[in-house]
Amino acid sequence: DAMVIQNPRYQVTQFGKPVTLSCSQTLNHNVMYWYQQKSSQAPKLLFHYYDKDFNNEADTPDNFQSRRPNTSFCFLDIRSPGLGDAAMYLCATSRDLTGGASGANVLTFGAGSRLTVL
Amino acid sequence: AQSVTQPDIHITVSEGASLELRCNYSYGATPYLFWYVQSPGQGLQLLLKYFSGDTLVQGIKGFEAEFKRSQSSFNLRKPSVHWSDAAEYFCAVDTDKLIFGAGTRLAVHP
Repeated sequence: DAMVIQNPRYQVTQFGKPVTLSCSQTLNHNVMYWYQQKSSQAPKLLFHYYDKDFNNEADTPDNFQSRRPNTSFCFLDIRSPGLGDAAMYLCATSRDLTGGASGANVLTFGAGSRLTVL
Repeated sequence: AQSVTQPDIHITVSEGASLELRCNYSYGATPYLFWYVQSPGQGLQLLLKYFSGDTLVQGIKGFEAEFKRSQSSFNLRKPSVHWSDAAEYFCAVDTDKLIFGAGTRLAVHP
């Protein structure tokens, strides 16, 4: 089945120790997104890639970076995790940014990576 | 600014009872609207979506939602809830990006 796979599912890191979360997709979608979801809150968009074009949300801290080396993979790098960065990180993909009735902009989510910062 | 409001943080229903989860949006044009469900420790799964046309949309797992432009609402309904429906439900509006409501956590009593 075509899907979005996130690794690791659970990541424990120490305060200030860099961490990388990965996302892969077999859907051949153009757009890949990273969301941060803190406990009992809505997912918050950090950034997205449309193909190789990177789009950062205005309020995403510089501590968060992303790489998309090819269509299938996208990485979230947290350079110096703080206690406030503990959250579930969700990767999602869509065929396009817009789509209306075609459904091209419908997001498919991975199962998430839960980050704990000690 | 575009926004989504889910007035109910927690809802508890008995198994077999009907369910309605409320969602109100703020957006100037005709919105694209979605309902997603998230089981504990999992990602989000699309339940249904509204783009245009028939204002009553059917989704997976027996859910439906009705778009009411006059009330700026997109409420989710299910006639008979199953214990496996216990989860968190997110309403979302797509403008140039997907904006989620804060979610409604559903508990189901046996």
